[in-house]
Amino acid sequence: EPEVTQTPSHQVTQMGQEVILRCVPISNHLYFYWYRQILGQKVEFLVSFYNNEISEKSEIFDDQFSVERPDGSNFTLKIRSTKLEDSAMYFCASRREAAFFGQGTRLTVV
Amino acid sequence: AQSVAQPEDQVNVAEGNPLTVKCTYSVSGNPYLFWYVQYPNRGLQFLLKYITGDNLVKGSYGFEAEFNKSQTSFHLKKPSALVSDSALYFCAVRALNFGNEKLTFGTGTRLTIIP
Repeated sequence: EPEVTQTPSHQVTQMGQEVILRCVPISNHLYFYWYRQILGQKVEFLVSFYNNEISEKSEIFDDQFSVERPDGSNFTLKIRSTKLEDSAMYFCASRREAAFFGQGTRLTVV
Repeated sequence: AQSVAQPEDQVNVAEGNPLTVKCTYSVSGNPYLFWYVQYPNRGLQFLLKYITGDNLVKGSYGFEAEFNKSQTSFHLKKPSALVSDSALYFCAVRALNFGNEKLTFGTGTRLTIIP
């Protein structure tokens, strides 16, 4: 069964450093998302991406965040200058109707 | 704006008993509704969806959910709970409007099945 894959599973970074989280969506899906979850609590929407551009973003998704689909298969989330409060589990998802989520990247900013 | 309410943070059910996890939603226009389950240190796993058609939808692992438009509810149910059903359950909604891609989640309900 096709699935969304995310790498790395765990990333530790120093405050102020840039991180790139990577995702490979399901191949015939057209819509892509990034969500985050802090401490196993609420799942927060960050951004949606369709037809090679951002279709919607939340107030969390400020200028420090960016997304890219560089090669038609990967979908990346970049955080330019990480803050302590960026520590969270980041989930990538893709969909046709229902969204399917990856296993997540646990980002720890120290 | 769209929103989801899961009024119960925690639900405890004895093994073998029926279970219900409640969800109500608010959305402009027609909703797409979803249930997801999350096991510890894992991603969100799709359980079932309501798009259109029959109000009772069946999903994975014997779960089902009933869409009630007048009550704006989409409660998750299972006739006989298993200990392995213990997990965190999320209800989610997306409005069926062109250009609306955001999937909004509830705060989650922790389901514990007691042996």
